[in-house]
Amino acid sequence: AQKVTQAQTEISVVEKEDVTLDCVYETRDTTYYLFWYKQPPSGELVFLIRRNSFDEQNEISGRYSWNFQKSTSSFNFTITASQVVDSAVYFCALLLNNAGNMLTFGGGTRLMVKP
Amino acid sequence: NAGVTQTPKFRILKIGQSMTLQCTQDMNHNYMYWYRQDPGMGLKLIYYSVGAGITDKGEVPNGYNVSRSTTEDFPLRLELAAPSQTSVYFCASNDRVENEKLFFGSGTQLSVL
Repeated sequence: AQKVTQAQTEISVVEKEDVTLDCVYETRDTTYYLFWYKQPPSGELVFLIRRNSFDEQNEISGRYSWNFQKSTSSFNFTITASQVVDSAVYFCALLLNNAGNMLTFGGGTRLMVKP
Repeated sequence: NAGVTQTPKFRILKIGQSMTLQCTQDMNHNYMYWYRQDPGMGLKLIYYSVGAGITDKGEVPNGYNVSRSTTEDFPLRLELAAPSQTSVYFCASNDRVENEKLFFGSGTQLSVL
């Protein structure tokens, strides 16, 4: 069975600090997709990124970067120079190729960025 | 741009009452989903649909029913509300299973007392 673990339930940083949100996943499948979503205080979920299991290239999008390492089954998310607007709950999720439509979500990490 | 619209945003039910959570999307997506999010937890899939007339159970379907008579609408029904169904409910849609953009509604906060 698949599982996603976000060990950090809550992180607090001061604005402009860098912060890394950890995500560790478990699956025996070789084909899968990994996602990060942001849930701001308003409640809706916002898609951030998707990676498939065959693409281990790290990705950077502005202040956001993602480090995918199959060897450690991790898909970590780093925010550089954090801002107050980054305050949200962040979810990592796993979709197996043969799992129909079942995204497995981690428990989420609440990030608080203080001014 | 409407996207995925859920109503109501908040609701309080008494044990045993029934209600329907509405979800509609205007993006012509084939796939629609209902998730629940318990406090401090990730989202769990309740039901999903791959097109009009087709629905299937997710991880936690007990106590819920769905229907998909049109591409746009995917209502979630609670027949006999129980305190264990107190949660935040999210509807979502996309046009392919593995598509990167899973569009979520703004959520319905339900309390069963």
